[in-house]
Amino acid sequence: AQKVTQAQTEISVVEKEDVTLDCVYETRDTTYYLFWYKQPPSGELVFLIRRNSFDEQNEISGRYSWNFQKSTSSFNFTITASQVVDSAVYFCALRVSGTYKYIFGTGTRLKVLA
Amino acid sequence: EPEVTQTPSHQVTQMGQEVILRCVPISNHLYFYWYRQILGQKVEFLVSFYNNEISEKSEIFDDQFSVERPDGSNFTLKIRSTKLEDSAMYFCASRGDNEQFFGPGTRLTVL
Repeated sequence: AQKVTQAQTEISVVEKEDVTLDCVYETRDTTYYLFWYKQPPSGELVFLIRRNSFDEQNEISGRYSWNFQKSTSSFNFTITASQVVDSAVYFCALRVSGTYKYIFGTGTRLKVLA
Repeated sequence: EPEVTQTPSHQVTQMGQEVILRCVPISNHLYFYWYRQILGQKVEFLVSFYNNEISEKSEIFDDQFSVERPDGSNFTLKIRSTKLEDSAMYFCASRGDNEQFFGPGTRLTVL
């Protein structure tokens, strides 16, 4: 069975601090996709990134970076120089190739204080 | 930029009533989804729809739920006889190759 664990329920940081959100996944399948979504206070779900299981290259997009490590089944998300607008709930998700279902973690609420 | 739209944004209904939630997916997408998020909790998969039929569904998606793509553009979720515990945000999503994009959600309140 597949599972996504986001052990950090809530994190508070002061603006300009770096913060890392952890995501650990479980699957026995060798081909799968990992995702991060942002849910700001307005409630919508915003797609941030997709990573294939066969591509372990880390990715950077502006202040956002993602560290994918198959050896530890982790797909962590780092925000550099956090801003108040980064305050949101962040969800990690998993989809196994050949299936349709996306499995979400429980989310991490990030509060960035001015 | 194309986006998924959902109507209504908020639906209030009495227990036992039927509701239909509507979604317009991104036009060239082939895979369609409904998810549920009870307030403050995680996003839960309900059902996926591909090639005019249900491709996968969760344990939550029991006989009181149904989905339909009546006219090639709309994608609907029907709840036949609503219960108090159906109160949640319902998100529609559509997927092209791999990225899945969500609509803004419909907040369903069952009284």
